[in-house]
Amino acid sequence: ELKVEQNPLFLSMQEGKNYTIYCNYSTTSDRLYWYRQDPGKSLESLFVLLSNGAVKQEGRLMASLDTKARLSTLHITAAVHDLSATYFCAVSNFGNEKLTFGTGTRLTIIP
Amino acid sequence: DTEVTQTPKHLVMGMTNKKSLKCEQHMGHRAMYWYKQKAKKPPELMFVYSYEKLSINESVPSRFSPECPNSSLLNLHLHALQPEDSALYLCASSQEPSGGTVSYNEQFFGPGTRLTVL
Repeated sequence: ELKVEQNPLFLSMQEGKNYTIYCNYSTTSDRLYWYRQDPGKSLESLFVLLSNGAVKQEGRLMASLDTKARLSTLHITAAVHDLSATYFCAVSNFGNEKLTFGTGTRLTIIP
Repeated sequence: DTEVTQTPKHLVMGMTNKKSLKCEQHMGHRAMYWYKQKAKKPPELMFVYSYEKLSINESVPSRFSPECPNSSLLNLHLHALQPEDSALYLCASSQEPSGGTVSYNEQFFGPGTRLTVL
């Protein structure tokens, strides 16, 4: 059974600081996704990573994928308050529609 | 049109009521999904429709009944629910059901329906 774990579960950080969220998955997967969810809202797609060594950046967020280690990271650079949200990673495989989500990381940026 | 819409936004129902949640997308996506999300938890997959046919049912109780009338619409019929069924119900769609030649096959989520069962 595919399991996806994130750490930390909770992260409180000051504005301007850098930090990384980690996503580990238990079996080989073809696609890794990062989503953002604001309280009471839906999920917003941030990144899709397909291949080993893939790196994508959007603003202050950068995601990377190491398929050999079954690890993805979401790096936050110079955090700002607007980035406060819950971040989920999720994995799926070709030929299987099921998306398995990680536990989520609740990020709070303190001014 | 690049969004998934859901109605209603909020729904309060009694345990003997029958109600329906609706989801619509006009992106030409051929896979549609229902998820249930409890507070502070990740979404849990309930059902997947591929080309308007039910392809995955994650052992969901029969009091939840999905329906896909056409490629743009997805309904979730609710009957005799329990208070523990209270949650955020999310609909999503993706271009193809199982990837095929579409490498990303990203799922796009609707705003959700906040369901409260009394």
